[in-house]
Amino acid sequence: GGIITQTPKFLIGQEGQKLTLKCQQNFNHDTMYWYRQDSGKGLRLIYYSITENDLQKGDLSEGYDASREKKSSFSLTVTSAQKNEMAVFLCASSIRANTGQLYFGEGSKLTVL
Amino acid sequence: GEQVEQLPSILRVQEGSSASINCTYENSASNYFPWYKQEPGENPKLIIDIRSNMERKQTQGLIVLLDKKAKRFSLHITDTQPGDSAMYFCAASGGGYKVVFGSGTRLLVSP
Repeated sequence: GGIITQTPKFLIGQEGQKLTLKCQQNFNHDTMYWYRQDSGKGLRLIYYSITENDLQKGDLSEGYDASREKKSSFSLTVTSAQKNEMAVFLCASSIRANTGQLYFGEGSKLTVL
Repeated sequence: GEQVEQLPSILRVQEGSSASINCTYENSASNYFPWYKQEPGENPKLIIDIRSNMERKQTQGLIVLLDKKAKRFSLHITDTQPGDSAMYFCAASGGGYKVVFGSGTRLLVSP
């Protein structure tokens, strides 16, 4: 079995700060995703990467950048943290882009003071 | 469109009864419909899925139905137990490489 590791697990930032979240997977999956989950709510797609060197915007890409450094890693940057923002960012991977079966990391919880 | 609508947002049932969650999707090219369960403080985990070449699938007390004509799919949990209390998400994919999730249903099973 494989694992998806997200770092950091908890991130506290200041308003206006640029913050980066990292995700590593050892499934050897082609496709990786970043989702945002607000408390008690659904998952909204921020960015995804179909294969290495690919980058696609999701529905919530404004205010974020992403980078697929290599097949196993996918980073997400909050370009300017918003005051009082609090959310969990979930990284996921799938073997191919259109299988739909996702494996999720444990999440990175962001709090902006 | 890529939206997936999920209802209800909260579902309260008595232990031993059944629970049903319904989703509709917009993209007619969608061909894969997974369901995820998320327990408090944990990440979502796949519990059952159905592909567009099927209308019904059943496993371990879970039934999923797919009506492609109506662009509707549903999850039915039979004989609910307190351990079934969690958030449930439907999703649709295959229409453009995106996996789009519904807004979630909080299922509360009371003894």
